[in-house]
Amino acid sequence: NAGVTQTPKFRVLKTGQSMTLLCAQDMNHEYMYWYRQDPGMGLRLIHYSVGEGTTAKGEVPDGYNVSRLKKQNFLLGLESAAPSQTSVYFCASSYGATGLAKLYEQYFGPGTRLTVT
Amino acid sequence: RKEVEQDPGPFNVPEGATVAFNCTYSNSASQSFFWYRQDCRKEPKLLMSVYSSGNEDGRFTAQLNRASQYISLLIRDSKLSDSATYLCVVNIPDRGSTLGRLYFGRGTQLTVWP
Repeated sequence: NAGVTQTPKFRVLKTGQSMTLLCAQDMNHEYMYWYRQDPGMGLRLIHYSVGEGTTAKGEVPDGYNVSRLKKQNFLLGLESAAPSQTSVYFCASSYGATGLAKLYEQYFGPGTRLTVT
Repeated sequence: RKEVEQDPGPFNVPEGATVAFNCTYSNSASQSFFWYRQDCRKEPKLLMSVYSSGNEDGRFTAQLNRASQYISLLIRDSKLSDSATYLCVVNIPDRGSTLGRLYFGRGTQLTVWP
């Protein structure tokens, strides 16, 4: 049981380049999330998904797109990278987000460190 | 006003000390509360949920005060391995939706020294 995995672990992009970050979970979770973490800013939600085929915007969605074609995968795309997108990106998943507190518990992947020059 | 605010820290304490972290949240409709732990350059991991009646897990005690919208984490008999950043996390319902999202505080850094 690998939990939540992310690829790649590190990436350096030039301004204007594009890339896709892949998140995969093997816990049969319905909900998946993409966060970015910057020094002094804490974790900020970029996009999230409440099930296969659905996505929604979080707090800081501009410059990113996502897709959830399969329940176990959640992809984060940067179409035209900017230096402001230099950050650590975390993917997370959870059983759900309503009802019992246990459903809110989020399990995180190891992160992707992205630098845009 | 931020949804979740924490003590800025950092806290530097000797082994064996007792240390307490505080956190306030702004939305009275918040339903669930957690403390996560994040080690340097690692992902956040759930430390414990916070229940209305307060709860304890070994050396860790979490308290919730709904009236004051205040959460605390107490660590007794600190160990070197407790050095990490502690994140206060609150579920806040979205407007017009039953979906609740987690909001993370910026974290409080703890260093336990020998």
